[in-house]
Amino acid sequence: GQNIDQPTEMTATEGAIVQINCTYQTSGFNGLFWYQQHAGEAPTFLSYNVLDGLEEKGRFSSFLSRSKGYSYLLLKELQMKDSASYLCAVLDSNYQLIWGAGTKLIIKP
Amino acid sequence: GAVVSQHPSRVICKSGTSVKIECRSLDFQATTMFWYRQFPKQSLMLMATSNEGSKATYEQGVEKDKFLINHASLTLSTLTVTSAHPEDSSFYICSARRADRETEAFFGQGTRLTVV
Repeated sequence: GQNIDQPTEMTATEGAIVQINCTYQTSGFNGLFWYQQHAGEAPTFLSYNVLDGLEEKGRFSSFLSRSKGYSYLLLKELQMKDSASYLCAVLDSNYQLIWGAGTKLIIKP
Repeated sequence: GAVVSQHPSRVICKSGTSVKIECRSLDFQATTMFWYRQFPKQSLMLMATSNEGSKATYEQGVEKDKFLINHASLTLSTLTVTSAHPEDSSFYICSARRADRETEAFFGQGTRLTVV
């Protein structure tokens, strides 16, 4: 079966750094996405990785290791507005998105 | 960027009535549209995939006669929740895919359905 695992909840302090991990087992791989979702809103796109390595975009970076079936989202200089759920999703061989359950990130002052 | 507009954003309806949710791609042609349902504190659950001009493909456990999907044009797909019940109350989200950018999914704003 297809499976995406990520922690249910994480807590971090404003101004700090947090890493949200995602491991996956899917039928085929055409890329991995990270989305941010605030309560009651639709997901918004953060990053897309299809090759191994680190992609940096401002305060957010995403890393992928295809051989390990592993990705992480790194958030730096945390702000209160970063409190949200972060969803990991993998595009499988049929170009279908397989979603993780999301990680709720709580930022404390 | 590609914009997907979903309407309405919130709807309250009485049990037994039907509700239609629209999903429009505003500046691109969406060859494929996806409908998701999300319950509180859970991830997105794919309900169905629709391709323009053909019948939608429903995921296991999703009743096709209850959740009617129409994808009549390359810019519009609709989801109709028929004979709604309180357990259908959820957050419904559509996403659209462009033919030339298969690796991207563009999301609508979502619709919060409450059945009373």
